[in-house]
Amino acid sequence: EVVLTQSPGTLSLSPGERATLSCRASQSVSSNYLAWYQQKPGQPPRLLIYDASSRASGIPDRFSGSGSGTDFTLTISRLEPEDFAVYYCQQFGTSPWTFGQGTKVEIK
Amino acid sequence: EVQLVQSGAEVKKPGESLKISCKGSGYSFTSYWIGWVRQMPGKGLEWMGIIYPGDSVTRYSPSFQGQVTISADRSISTAYLQWSSLKASDIAMYYCARMDEDDYGDYRGFDYWGQGTLVTVSS
Repeated sequence: EVVLTQSPGTLSLSPGERATLSCRASQSVSSNYLAWYQQKPGQPPRLLIYDASSRASGIPDRFSGSGSGTDFTLTISRLEPEDFAVYYCQQFGTSPWTFGQGTKVEIK
Repeated sequence: EVQLVQSGAEVKKPGESLKISCKGSGYSFTSYWIGWVRQMPGKGLEWMGIIYPGDSVTRYSPSFQGQVTISADRSISTAYLQWSSLKASDIAMYYCARMDEDDYGDYRGFDYWGQGTLVTVSS
C-alpha cells in the first residue's frame, strides 16, 4: 500500500499569504496519478488538482500543483478567505487508492 | 448536470445490517468507476473501495475487505455499500464519488461527490 504523508499537519497563515503543502509517498506514484482535494466543514471534498499539476474545471489559478515520483506540492499563491479548509492528497496509481491524512490551513 | 445523490442518514443498532445507496445521473453511469470513502468524526478521508458499474468489477482496500460489500445495479444507475453486521466503529460519514477519466482512459481524480450518508450505530 502506498502511504501518503502530508506536512505540515496545520498551517497558520493570513489572507494574502502563500501556502505550501507537501505530500510525500512511500513509493513512486504510478503515472503521476496524484490529486489534491479541498474540504470545508459539512461538505464533501472538492477536486482541485489531478495528474499532480493539472487544475480541475473551475479551479482558480491561484491553486497550483507540482512534483513527481514521491514528492508533491500544492501551492496557493495568495490565500483568499474561502481557502481556509483542510486539504488532502490522494494517489490512484496503485490499489488501494490511498489518501494522505490532511493538512489544515487555518487563519492566523 | 452530473449528480450523485446518496440515501439519507441511518441510525442502527450494533449487529444490524445496512445498505446505503448512491444514484448517479447526468452521465453514462456504466462508464465510470464509483468509489466509496469513509470519514470518521473529526478525522480524514479513507478510501474503502471502488466498483465499475459496467461489469461490476470491484476492488477493496485491505482495511475494508470482508467488512463491507460494494455493489451496483446499472439498470437504475445506483451503487451500494452494505454491512452485514454493524459495529460502533462504523460510525462515520460515507461518501460516494465518481472517478473521472480522459479520452485515453487516464484517471483524473474523483470529480463528483455525493452529499454523504451519516451512519450512526448505537444501542
